[in-house]
Amino acid sequence: DQQVKQNSPSLSVQEGRISILNCDYTNSMFDYFLWYKKYPAEGPTFLISISSIKDKNEDGRFTVFLNKSAKHLSLHIVPSQPGDSAVYFCAARKAQGAQKLVFGQGTRLTINP
Amino acid sequence: DAGITQSPRHKVTETGTPVTLRCHQTENHRYMYWYRQDPGHGLRLIHYSYGVKDTDKGEVSDGYSVSRSKTEDFLLTLESATSSQTSVYFCAISAGDTQYFGPGTRLTVL
Repeated sequence: DQQVKQNSPSLSVQEGRISILNCDYTNSMFDYFLWYKKYPAEGPTFLISISSIKDKNEDGRFTVFLNKSAKHLSLHIVPSQPGDSAVYFCAARKAQGAQKLVFGQGTRLTINP
Repeated sequence: DAGITQSPRHKVTETGTPVTLRCHQTENHRYMYWYRQDPGHGLRLIHYSYGVKDTDKGEVSDGYSVSRSKTEDFLLTLESATSSQTSVYFCAISAGDTQYFGPGTRLTVL
């Protein structure tokens, strides 16, 4: 049972345009969501997060939107840059306990010049 | 950089042999985790620790054991490696609301 889903395995965007990565979840007990970026042969790097009490969080070029009623979150990157080419994972966790993360399958983002 | 190192970074072994992967952290974090990454699955939690000698199972714990005798070290052991355990293994720590990951160990079981 895949509790966190990223339905687009890949996404190609032109440099300078907006990249939108999507993530859906099924467990209503999740209350904190994170996005990670991963380059080949490296560990995932934390990008941005959002608590379920918010619907938007911004950090520079990166904005995460949360729609609790739809159980959907999205990561917007604007403007997209070549260095943004990577695999992006969304992750979710419940309020209590050991902060165990449940990850989506990942989306490979390619930024074209 | 959360001061996490993993060793070895690459390992090739044969089916049936025991394998131990090491995660080392330098910042005294209480929580440590082991995940595996496979195509089509993202990262999945194997085991985690919430203190010295305190560990618990994750989503895909079968075939794996862990130990934490010191705050800074979290060991993952495959008692008898199988080809299905070929994967990339990541260690992580919790700092505040965020987990930070090590560089990974690529394990191949022939």
